[in-house]
Amino acid sequence: DIQMTQSPSSLSASVGDRVTITCRASQTISNYLNWYQQKPGKAPKLLIYAASSLQSGVPSRFSGSGSGTDFTLTISNLQPEDFATYFCQQSYRTLMYTFGQGTKLEIK
Amino acid sequence: QVQLQESGPGLVTPSETLSLTCTVSGGSISSSSYYWAWIRQPPGKGLEWIGSVYYTGTTYNSPSLKSRVSISVDTSNNQFSLKLSSVTAADTAVYYCVKVADTSRARYFDCWGQGTLVTVSS
Repeated sequence: DIQMTQSPSSLSASVGDRVTITCRASQTISNYLNWYQQKPGKAPKLLIYAASSLQSGVPSRFSGSGSGTDFTLTISNLQPEDFATYFCQQSYRTLMYTFGQGTKLEIK
Repeated sequence: QVQLQESGPGLVTPSETLSLTCTVSGGSISSSSYYWAWIRQPPGKGLEWIGSVYYTGTTYNSPSLKSRVSISVDTSNNQFSLKLSSVTAADTAVYYCVKVADTSRARYFDCWGQGTLVTVSS
């Protein structure tokens, strides 16, 4: 299996801050990397697919980058509604999908 | 706008079989542009892909669960289903049914059901 490791596991920030979450794959996955946001009691929501493509309807303050094994999710100008848990997910191995362990973004 | 809704028992006895159904609305389950998956999340933990199914009935399951998982599709009712046998407390989780977009350059989970909590307990 391809292992996905996110860092940090948790993060405190303030409204208006810029934050970066990283995700590392245990082997190269090209750009087959997606990011999701999950709020308590809700299903995950797709933010970014193919490492850097913004899903329709997602605010432009969310951006993704990276290729190969190292990827980042950046949130600029944090808004109150952005405090949530974020997961990365690889889809390189067809139909053998794995997720990172999650990063909880909390209000400072 | 495709919507997905899980249904099934919220409580399953250990060693029995967990059975869930996902009803797809707002689109056809028989589209060749995407396929369907089950993902679960134990309370307070991360996400685990269980398996996927095409409208043709072809399935792919997680190696860690493969021997216990059966996923099927019912195109006439626009539904797909999950069966997980020999359950234990470790199978207690929120189970999500998900639509999977599959393009030439990306594969991603773009539409999720609300999730249903299944507890394994006697």
